[in-house]
Amino acid sequence: DGGITQSPKYLFRKEGQNVTLSCEQNLNHDAMYWYRQDPGQGLRLIYYSQIVNDFQKGDIAEGYSVSREKKESFPLTVTSAQKNPTAFYLCASSMIGGWGQGEQYFGPGTRLTVT
Amino acid sequence: AQSVTQPDIHITVSEGASLELRCNYSYGATPYLFWYVQSPGQGLQLLLKYFSGDTLVQGIKGFEAEFKRSQSSFNLRKPSVHWSDAAEYFCAVASFGNEKLTFGTGTRLTIIP
Repeated sequence: DGGITQSPKYLFRKEGQNVTLSCEQNLNHDAMYWYRQDPGQGLRLIYYSQIVNDFQKGDIAEGYSVSREKKESFPLTVTSAQKNPTAFYLCASSMIGGWGQGEQYFGPGTRLTVT
Repeated sequence: AQSVTQPDIHITVSEGASLELRCNYSYGATPYLFWYVQSPGQGLQLLLKYFSGDTLVQGIKGFEAEFKRSQSSFNLRKPSVHWSDAAEYFCAVASFGNEKLTFGTGTRLTIIP
């Protein structure tokens, strides 16, 4: 089955530690995205990538970093510089252009708790 | 810059009743509009989308939405809700040639027996 996997489902870290969230897709999509979701704030874009070895900052990139070494993978690192990292993180992917534009497929999410 | 407003944070509807969730967008040209649904603790699933053509679009799970350019709206409707429709619903907008979506803040739907 094609889809997006995110691991782990729940993640707990101590303040000051970096943590990496995994996102893998087998949909052969060119574009991948990371969103942060907080109650009452909808989804906010952290980073996105349209091609391997290239990515762009979204609206709230500070304190986060990404890499795109393979088409299928787009890991997100939450660094110790992120002031309020506790949130629900969603990864998505999409085709580029054509009828599929904007139709993003989402993973099940990772809930990160930092104490 | 494009933006999306969902004015209703929470809506409660009786099972079997009709539903309308509101969405207003701000964008200069013709937008690409989407409705997504999210069950608790899960990712989002696309319900329907509008690119062009017929302003009434049909989606999955019996949902439909109507694009009204004059009102900058894209409201989601369902004639008769089921308990399984309880979830959070997000409206989103994209522009031509731009893959990024801008999401509204969501409307949480509660279904009562």
